[in-house]
Amino acid sequence: DQQVKQNSPSLSVQEGRISILNCDYTNSMFDYFLWYKKYPAEGPTFLISISSIKDKNEDGRFTVFLNKSAKHLSLHIVPSQPGDSAVYFCAASGGVIQGAQKLVFGQGTRLTINP
Amino acid sequence: DGGITQSPKYLFRKEGQNVTLSCEQNLNHDAMYWYRQDPGQGLRLIYYSQIVNDFQKGDIAEGYSVSREKKESFPLTVTSAQKNPTAFYLCASSILAESNEQFFGPGTRLTVL
Repeated sequence: DQQVKQNSPSLSVQEGRISILNCDYTNSMFDYFLWYKKYPAEGPTFLISISSIKDKNEDGRFTVFLNKSAKHLSLHIVPSQPGDSAVYFCAASGGVIQGAQKLVFGQGTRLTINP
Repeated sequence: DGGITQSPKYLFRKEGQNVTLSCEQNLNHDAMYWYRQDPGQGLRLIYYSQIVNDFQKGDIAEGYSVSREKKESFPLTVTSAQKNPTAFYLCASSILAESNEQFFGPGTRLTVL
């Protein structure tokens, strides 16, 4: 049962253009969403997050949009740069369970920025 | 420099052997987590610990064991009971158990021959 889905395994974008990565979720109890970036053979690094009380959060070139009715969020990267080439994971949190916040991750989308 | 260290980066073991993966953090974080990543899949939670001497099973705990004797350390043992142990293992920590943001270590790639 995949509660968080990233339906595009890969995405290729030209440098300078906008990259849009999508994520869908099924559990309406999720109230916090995060995006992580991962390079090969390294651990994921936190990129940006959004609470369910908001529909948009912006940080420099990165903007996350949340559509609660559609259970959909997206990450926009503008303008895309070669260093953005990585795997991006969407993650969702549904509150405290047994004393900890458990994150549920999507499968990841490999973003390639072409010069 | 604060951070999470995992060692070794690459590990090879023969089938049937237990192996322990190290995870240390000097961030003074309360909660620690172990994830497994397989090709084309997201991170799946193996075990987590919100406080010293306490830990909980995640979604795929079978064949794994952990301990949390110190706040800084959360080693993971992959036992011979784990049917498909070859994977990339990631350790993470967070400030408080209720924190949403988790910080990850560099990972250990385990290959069972």
